[in-house]
Amino acid sequence: DGGITQSPKYLFRKEGQNVTLSCEQNLNHDAMYWYRQDPGQGLRLIYYSQIVNDFQKGDIAEGYSVSREKKESFPLTVTSAQKNPTAFYLCASSISTGISNQPQHFGDGTRLSIL
Amino acid sequence: QQPVQSPQAVILREGEDAVINCSSSKALYSVHWYRQKHGEAPVFLMILLKGGEQKGHEKISASFNEKKQQSSLYLTASQLSYSGTYFCGTESRGSQGNLIFGKGTKLSVKP
Repeated sequence: DGGITQSPKYLFRKEGQNVTLSCEQNLNHDAMYWYRQDPGQGLRLIYYSQIVNDFQKGDIAEGYSVSREKKESFPLTVTSAQKNPTAFYLCASSISTGISNQPQHFGDGTRLSIL
Repeated sequence: QQPVQSPQAVILREGEDAVINCSSSKALYSVHWYRQKHGEAPVFLMILLKGGEQKGHEKISASFNEKKQQSSLYLTASQLSYSGTYFCGTESRGSQGNLIFGKGTKLSVKP
């Protein structure tokens, strides 16, 4: 079945440590997104990518980095510069950005906590 | 920029109806609706593209008033399975494809 796979489901970070969240999709979608979800805040866009080797900052990119070396993969690194990383992270994909009638498909999320 | 959803939470008995509203201060190109169960991924419900358009999905439907920059989600004869948090995602002219999500409306359906 086609879909989006995020791993791990739970992740713990020590102070000063960088951690990487994995996101893989086999939907052949061009566009991929990373969102952060805090209780009562909805989903906030961290980074998005429209095509391989290209990505743009979203509303809350500080303290995060991404790469898009393959169409299927869009990993997110939470760096030590992100002082409040505890949140639920969701990866999504869509056929393409710039096409408004396309839904976004979400992975099951990674819950990141500070040790 | 973030759309405003109302109400923040609503409790229903099975079979009752509910309306969830989503308002934006920006001119909108489309409105997307998603439902999320606790700890799970948001699930796509529908997209509203044109002003005044109304779409339906079983007993869940929605309208989009482009002039008022508002969308409403209608849940009729609610079922226990409708429980969850409903999010609207708005797409503005010039940023097609990228959504800004509201804070969500938590819906609880009781037997």
